[in-house]
Amino acid sequence: GEDVEQSLFLSVREGDSSVINCTYTDSSSTYLYWYKQEPGAGLQLLTYIFSNMDMKQDQRLTVLLNKKDKHLSLRIADTQTGDSAIYFCAETGGFKTIFGAGTRLFVKA
Amino acid sequence: NAGVMQNPRHLVRRRGQEARLRCSPMKGHSHVYWYRQLPEEGLKFMVYLQKENIIDESGMPKERFSAEFPKEGPSILRIQQVVRGDSAAYFCASSLAGTDTQYFGPGTRLTVL
Repeated sequence: GEDVEQSLFLSVREGDSSVINCTYTDSSSTYLYWYKQEPGAGLQLLTYIFSNMDMKQDQRLTVLLNKKDKHLSLRIADTQTGDSAIYFCAETGGFKTIFGAGTRLFVKA
Repeated sequence: NAGVMQNPRHLVRRRGQEARLRCSPMKGHSHVYWYRQLPEEGLKFMVYLQKENIIDESGMPKERFSAEFPKEGPSILRIQQVVRGDSAAYFCASSLAGTDTQYFGPGTRLTVL
């Protein structure tokens, strides 16, 4: 069945780059997403990539997609304390979006 | 342009009571999705609705849970005879017809005493 897996925790120092990884199983996925969830809040759509792209850059965010390995990553350059949150990877091949369990990013000052 | 709205933001119920959670999609969005997030876990899909139709309810528990999205008004997720295990954050998302990208509301945090 469909599944999305992420590592649960990541800790980085302020100013360093963060790389959050995700693997998925559904090869028919059309879009892959990264959402950010701050404590007590809903999910904020950060960025997404269409499945025929390899890379997408948006300011401090870089998304890399390796479709052969079904691997997606989110790189946050110059990580700030305000980036501390849970980051969810998600895939969709139709109306159903499958989410990973989320990676908790801790940014140390 | 208001985003997805959910109310109430926090809801406390005693075991056996009913919980009603409301979701107003973004303007122009006709598709609504409900998800449940248990503490320290990711989101689990519950149900996908279009106006007056349930498209996929494969993630809904078979008993006590129901959802609707009437022609007029918000989508409602209804939980009857709540139990402690229903305590969670319930998120609603909406999308435009023909698109996959979902936009989320702030969630309703249900606590069952």
